[in-house]
Amino acid sequence: GNSVTQMEGPVTLSEEAFLTINCTYTATGYPSLFWYVQYPGEGLQLLLKATKADDKGSNKGFEATYRKETTSFHLEKGSVQVSDSAVYFCALSDWDRDDKIIFGKGTRLHILP
Amino acid sequence: DTGVSQDPRHKITKRGQNVTFRCDPISEHNRLYWYRQTLGQGPEFLTYFQNEAQLEKSRLLSDRFSAERPKGSFSTLEIQRTEQGDSAMYLCASIQPRQGALREAFFGQGTRLTVV
Repeated sequence: GNSVTQMEGPVTLSEEAFLTINCTYTATGYPSLFWYVQYPGEGLQLLLKATKADDKGSNKGFEATYRKETTSFHLEKGSVQVSDSAVYFCALSDWDRDDKIIFGKGTRLHILP
Repeated sequence: DTGVSQDPRHKITKRGQNVTFRCDPISEHNRLYWYRQTLGQGPEFLTYFQNEAQLEKSRLLSDRFSAERPKGSFSTLEIQRTEQGDSAMYLCASIQPRQGALREAFFGQGTRLTVV
């Protein structure tokens, strides 16, 4: 079945550092890919998404490119801020085959001032 | 209506008691999902509705769990005879009626259940 694997955390960085959180997926079809963010005590917020190969999703300085050849959707940000501290979830949905979103286990990010 | 709302935000209950959670989706969204998130894990699918019809249930949804969406608007998730292993965040999401890749899920803030 479809699945998502993302790097384990926690990831601790200093403010203004470069961020990469790796995500790879397994899917039988042609899924849409997402990054969600969860701040402490809150629900999930969609951060960005991409629906086809080579699409780049971007939002709030974060970017991720849908790489079909490597089945990856790595999250990057050039200069992180303390306010980016949260848990980040990579997810996929293959709406043509399956009616649900499948999530990775999440990566906790700590940004130090 | 600015988003998906869930009630209560927090629930502490004794083992063996029944609990019920409510989710109010975004009004024009016809699909409603329930997910469970345990500590350190990603959300896991429980069940979903299209309008009032419950179309799929996960194996995670034991017979102690029941979900309804009687008029195709709000939904309830009931857990009977709660166990400590039921302690988790229960998330609700709604999706607007769009084609395939254009669909986007909007999540509520969740109900955190603690069974003592």
